[in-house]
Parts: sequence; C-alpha cells; structure tokens
Amino acid sequence: QVTLKESGPVLVKPTETLTLTCTVSGFSLSNARMSVSWIRQPPGKALEWLAHIFSNDEKSYSTSLKSRLTISKDTSKSQVVLTMTNMDPVDTATYYCARIWRYDFWSGHYSYYYYMDVWGKGTTVTVSS
Amino acid sequence: DIQMTQSPSSLSASVGDRVTITCRASQSISSYLNWYQQKPGEAPNLLIYAASSLQTGVPSRFSGSGSGTDFTLTISSLQPEDFATYYCQQSYNTPLIFTFGPGTKVDIK
Repeated sequence: QVTLKESGPVLVKPTETLTLTCTVSGFSLSNARMSVSWIRQPPGKALEWLAHIFSNDEKSYSTSLKSRLTISKDTSKSQVVLTMTNMDPVDTATYYCARIWRYDFWSGHYSYYYYMDVWGKGTTVTVSS
Repeated sequence: DIQMTQSPSSLSASVGDRVTITCRASQSISSYLNWYQQKPGEAPNLLIYAASSLQTGVPSRFSGSGSGTDFTLTISSLQPEDFATYYCQQSYNTPLIFTFGPGTKVDIK
C-alpha cells in the first residue's frame, strides 16, 4: 500500500523558515517512474503547486516562490523535505505531498504524462506571531 | 508560465443531472491535463489523467475530453458523493511545472 505522510510544525512565526517532511512508504524514491511534489492550499482557496523532485534528484519549483523554496530527498529514509524561507501569514495553508506517477505513452515516440496519483492527508501550518 | 482557467467557478445541480466543467489553458498543452476531485477536509483525488484516461477505481460516469487549450470534465449522472470541488491541472512544461486551475465547486441544488 502506497502512503505519504506530511510532518512539521503547526505554528511558525513570520520571517522564520518552515521545514516540512514527507515520509513515503510502499514505493521507492529511486524508482524512475515515481517522484514527489509538494502542494499547498490556503483556507478556502485553490491548490497551489510548490516544488517537485525526481528520482535522479532533478528539481523544479513554482516560478513565483522559487527564491524561497528548497526541495531535497533522502532515499534511504524514504523522505522528501521542503524548506520555505521568510514565512508570512499569507503562507498559512494545508501543505500536501503527493506521489507523481509517470505514464509513458508510445505513438511513434514516447510522451511522458505526469499526474498526482496518491496524496498525503496534509499538514496545516499557521503563520502568526 | 501557463495559466489555467475553469468555468463555471461554481454550479448547483441535482442528483442525476449531467454536469460539464470546462478548463482552458493559456497556450496549447496537448493532452497534458489532469482532473482532481476534492471533498471538504480531504486531500484531492485523481479522476482523469492525460485529458481522457480514467484513473483506476474511478466510476465510469466521469469522463474527460479535449486537447490543445480546451478541456472538459463530464459527470454523466451526478451522484450524492460527487458534490465536491473539481480542479484541472496541466503538466506540459519542461522542466516539469504543474499548474492548477482555480477550481469548480459543485453543490446541491
């Protein structure tokens, strides 16, 4: 059974750095067809993708938050870590990690489709002094 | 960056209704479009990937169509458990950057 579980502080102060950990089970972070993303959702608002890390350690970040985000992984511990610097009250949200599955489609050449097939339950982070 | 829009932002429907939600990308994304359902207090759940492929375990009343910039999620006969918010998401970019639409809330008429 594939599961992902987010952990981290419930409350952070403005200007502090947030560190969140996603612990996965049921799959390996070294599998080339699987990777992990972080997504957040402010109360009552839409989903916002934050960052992604592939099995080969390639990373990608939200353009608007790139300067504040760092994603990393420890394959031996089955963990993906997201840090977000200079936290602000607008960063108050539920933070999710999700497994990304790569679907390979052949039609004379390969096309790679990526989608979030398993999600953690999320962890709520409040930014307040 | 590619921007995603959805219409309507909300709709009211009755059990048994056929419901259609539209998603539009700011540039062509081929078929790199996924749909998710989210119920209050829960994580999102994948419904459709690659624009029209039904995720394993998702009821067949859900279907997706479209390519390029315009996409549609259809629920053929709305069930009580389908009242939720629906998000589209693109995965076209290289390097991989996901973008979600703003969501469409489906509630009871």
